[in-house]
Order: sequence, then C-alpha cells, then structure tokens
Amino acid sequence: QKEVEQDPGPLSVPEGAIVSLNCTYSNSAFQYFMWYRQYSRKGPELLMYTYSSGNKEDGRFTAQVDKSSKYISLFIRDSQPSDSATYLCAMSVGNEKLTFGTGTRLTIIP
Amino acid sequence: GAVVSQHPSRVICKSGTSVKIECRSLDFQATTMFWYRQFPKKSLMLMATSNEGSKATYEQGVEKDKFLINHASLTLSTLTVTSAHPEDSSFYICSIFHVDEQFFGPGTRLTVL
Repeated sequence: QKEVEQDPGPLSVPEGAIVSLNCTYSNSAFQYFMWYRQYSRKGPELLMYTYSSGNKEDGRFTAQVDKSSKYISLFIRDSQPSDSATYLCAMSVGNEKLTFGTGTRLTIIP
Repeated sequence: GAVVSQHPSRVICKSGTSVKIECRSLDFQATTMFWYRQFPKKSLMLMATSNEGSKATYEQGVEKDKFLINHASLTLSTLTVTSAHPEDSSFYICSIFHVDEQFFGPGTRLTVL
C-alpha cells in the first residue's frame, strides 16, 4: 500500500464549478499537509499548508484535513481556466521530508 | 518568497555520458537541499537529502554511486547523473526548506538517448 494515495484523474470541469481534490494516507505520523500546484514542465508551487484537522481557507481555495480518517481535500471555488494544472498533495512527519501523492491533472473548460 | 534556480532547464545526452545539474538558492542560505525525481504522470519521489559540508543522505533504492551529490556551499548543490541510461530520463527537481515552507526549483528535464 502506498503511503499517500491520490486519484490521478484527469478531471475536467466547466469554468465556475467547484472542484474537489482528495488524498488519503496510511502513515498516522504525518503531521503537516500541503497542496502544491504544478504547471506543465515547471516545479511545484505551494498553494496551501496546514498541520491541524479542520478547514483552512485562502481566497478561492480551502484545504480540509481529517486526521481521524487520514483524508485531506482541496476545494477550489469559482474555478478558472488558469487553475488548469496538476495538483499534488504532500505530507510530512517533520515538515521537511515530503511524501507526495501522484497528482491530479485538472482542466477547467472555458 | 525564496527563489530556487536550476541549470540547465533541459538536457539531452547520449547513453553512457554524465550530466551535472545545478541547484541554487538565490534568497536564502540552505544547509539542506532536497533532490526529487518525477517520471511522466508519476509523483515526485525524494531521491536524496543534500547536506552542506557533509555526505548526502540517499533514499532507499537510490544508487549513491550513480547519483553523485555535492553540496559545496550554502547556496549550491549539484546532482551528477553518472553513466546515464535511457531509464534515467526524468524530470529532476531540487528544493530548499525555509521556515515552514519548501521551495522548489523549476526542474531539469533529462533525456538520455
């Protein structure tokens, strides 16, 4: 079993829709949870970072962590074509060494 | 935020040759840098942790004699893929950790013919 599982997609939604991206994990020692966005042939860029269960909101993005279920989500509201990218969840025990999900390729259709 | 650069951004080489990839931290001194590898449609996999002034720490399954890491200064780490083979073709990405965030370089795409 992989430590981090993420549906690779691809996922296509119309502009303006709410997008839900999810990851599950098996290592209960993970304490830090991140979502990265990666455009084609570029390095990942951090979108959201959290270390506690619950919701964290930043503009159109909401990160949700449920440690009891070992499940994290990223919600994107009012999705835009510029949101089209691959979204990677990542988590760590000591917030340095990251374990990534496989990434979900998202396309927002104008 | 921190800026991490990588050079070259893309390299094509013949099988059997060695390729050096540079990772520079432009805004912060980094005693530790990380090297990741990403195959198409796959996740980033940590290869090794580069430590300034000491030996790198390699992840299980990564050949240290094949992937040579040199972290000679607080702003520069290099990854040398020795005797590259087509299966080494991948996207290599470095990162630095600063405060609570890990900053990634733009990546180097290696193609071995």
